[in-house]
Amino acid sequence: GPKVLQIPSHQIIDMGQMVTLNCDPVSNHLYFYWYKQILGQQMEFLVNFYNGKVMEKSKLFKDQFSVERPDGSYFTLKIQPTALEDSAVYFCASSLGGGRAEQFFGPGTRLTVL
Amino acid sequence: QQKVQQSPESLSVPEGGMASFNCTSSDRNFQYFWWYRQHSGEGPKALMSIFSDGDKKEGRFTAHLNKASLHVSLHIRDSQPSDSALYFCAARPNYNVLYFGSGTKLTVEP
Repeated sequence: GPKVLQIPSHQIIDMGQMVTLNCDPVSNHLYFYWYKQILGQQMEFLVNFYNGKVMEKSKLFKDQFSVERPDGSYFTLKIQPTALEDSAVYFCASSLGGGRAEQFFGPGTRLTVL
Repeated sequence: QQKVQQSPESLSVPEGGMASFNCTSSDRNFQYFWWYRQHSGEGPKALMSIFSDGDKKEGRFTAHLNKASLHVSLHIRDSQPSDSALYFCAARPNYNVLYFGSGTKLTVEP
């Protein structure tokens, strides 16, 4: 079936550094998402992105976070600067449409901030 | 307060048995519901969607939705060891955000 890829699978960085998480969504999908899952907790919505713009974002999507998808390449989540509480698994998802369209998830990037 | 409450936290059933999961929402704006399954080291994968009251059956999987009580359930009959995974319910209001439950860890014992 359709696959979403995420690079890297694991990233370890020092607090205060910048990190970019990369997502290769399903090729014909138009909507893109980032979710955050802290170990042992629920997966929580961060942001969605359509037509080059952020459509919705949660309170977890702090000012230090940004997303973009330049020229149909990777959909990226950038955190600058990172904080200890940013340690989590970040899942990217994509969907063909909104509404009833299924969101397809990648395998996640485990971010560890030291 | 979490918008989607899921139970049980974990469940163990014998091979061939029935596994059942439940979710209750606190938000009457939720219109669309999904069940996702996640195997270790992988991302969640949608199992079933349900948007109307009543039952929806797909093979060994049956979902049930009661919009009046904001309750959705998933039942797996004839459970197999390969069904062992984390199961999440997810709900969506009229904007494009999925709210996930806390997950149920299913173990199917051979």
